[in-house]
Amino acid sequence: GAGVSQSPSNKVTEKGKDVELRCDPISGHTALYWYRQSLGQGLEFLIYFQGNSAPDKSGLPSDRFSAERTGGSVSTLTIQRTQQEDSAVYLCASSLTGWERFFGPGTRLTVL
Amino acid sequence: RKEVEQDPGPFNVPEGATVAFNCTYSNSASQSFFWYRQDCRKEPKLLMSVYSSGNEDGRFTAQLNRASQYISLLIRDSKLSDSATYLCVVSAQAGTALIFGKGTTLSVSS
Repeated sequence: GAGVSQSPSNKVTEKGKDVELRCDPISGHTALYWYRQSLGQGLEFLIYFQGNSAPDKSGLPSDRFSAERTGGSVSTLTIQRTQQEDSAVYLCASSLTGWERFFGPGTRLTVL
Repeated sequence: RKEVEQDPGPFNVPEGATVAFNCTYSNSASQSFFWYRQDCRKEPKLLMSVYSSGNEDGRFTAQLNRASQYISLLIRDSKLSDSATYLCVVSAQAGTALIFGKGTTLSVSS
């Protein structure tokens, strides 16, 4: 079956520009997570959506970062006024119940 | 102390070798433990959960020591295809949050 998909797979942008990253979770999965992974670093939790509950935004590094999940399915992570330190792979994951996370292939963001 | 700590490696072993990775965690209230595998430039995938009694899946054995707060992964008869980064993952104290270690890199050569 279809897994988690993310787009774009690669994004190169200039410092100061806004970017939007998209995630399509596995159909029926109620939980959706955003992480980022910088070179040589572990996965850093950003934000978590569960059903219709208010999202857990505790991992967002600054107010330049925001995310939405429309209709309980597709999610968009927006980074405003990008900085070079935002360069990383942004991974989306979804889950139904339990602990297993199903990850998408990620979006590799490069801020010049 | 970092929440989840792993030796980054790399561990370079020949085919057929047995290799073990350890991971320590700081939160004694953590209840769930996992090993994920991440191939180069790919997304992480669940390898196995780690149970208190220890568990085995083919050539892979995972063990948990709650008293010492460490988790181990043993790979027997290593294959070239085992080359990857192995992430130790621990549940946070509350909710469904998971804390990922930075990973241990394994390279198996012929």
